[in-house]
Amino acid sequence: EVQLVESGGGLVQPGGSLRLSCAASTFIFSNYWMSWVRQAPGKGLEWVANIKQDGSEKYYVDSVKGRFTISRDNAKNSLYLQMNSLRAEDTAVYYCARGQRNFAPWGQGTLVTVSS
Amino acid sequence: QSALTQPPSASGSPGQSVTISCTGTSSDFGGYNSVSWYQQHPGKAPKLMIYEVNKRPSGVPDRFSGSKSGNTASLTVSGLQAEDEADYYCSSYAGSDNLGVFGGGTKLTVL
Repeated sequence: EVQLVESGGGLVQPGGSLRLSCAASTFIFSNYWMSWVRQAPGKGLEWVANIKQDGSEKYYVDSVKGRFTISRDNAKNSLYLQMNSLRAEDTAVYYCARGQRNFAPWGQGTLVTVSS
Repeated sequence: QSALTQPPSASGSPGQSVTISCTGTSSDFGGYNSVSWYQQHPGKAPKLMIYEVNKRPSGVPDRFSGSKSGNTASLTVSGLQAEDEADYYCSSYAGSDNLGVFGGGTKLTVL
């Protein structure tokens, strides 16, 4: 079964940083675009960032440009999201998902809480 | 890009059909047929139910179907079952900046 497992979430103060990781298994990770999607508490889904198979193209939603960096390590079958200058409005469950235009599967999500 | 527009709620009785709409602009949908639909049960990760407007991934019941006309996409759930009660989100990839957009979500209640 294709599996994605996120880690790295937690409580961080405004202005702080976190690095999320997503470990992929049972599929050829290097063959796929990968994405991060987030969901604020009680809210809908928001596309955050995606990255091409070889890491040569990366795209971000406007609200995180300049603060978040998506990356991948195909040798480790892993996806990352470096989040800097965090704001209260970044509080959300962050999901990694396989795909560019549609997403399947999704990880279980990791909660990021930005609060003092 | 602003979010796609979905009704906040929809409902139907077991066995009935219900259709959820998803409205955007021509720039949201672009020239791509990249509309997808996701089902999310409380506390769970979303699950892909429909992709490329009307295609079902393996394992998704054929009670779920998708369509698109102009700038409105639709998800129809036929033969409603209790387990269909969930939040449903549409999504579209328009190629702009290589990101896409989600709808605000529709809470489907099986009466």
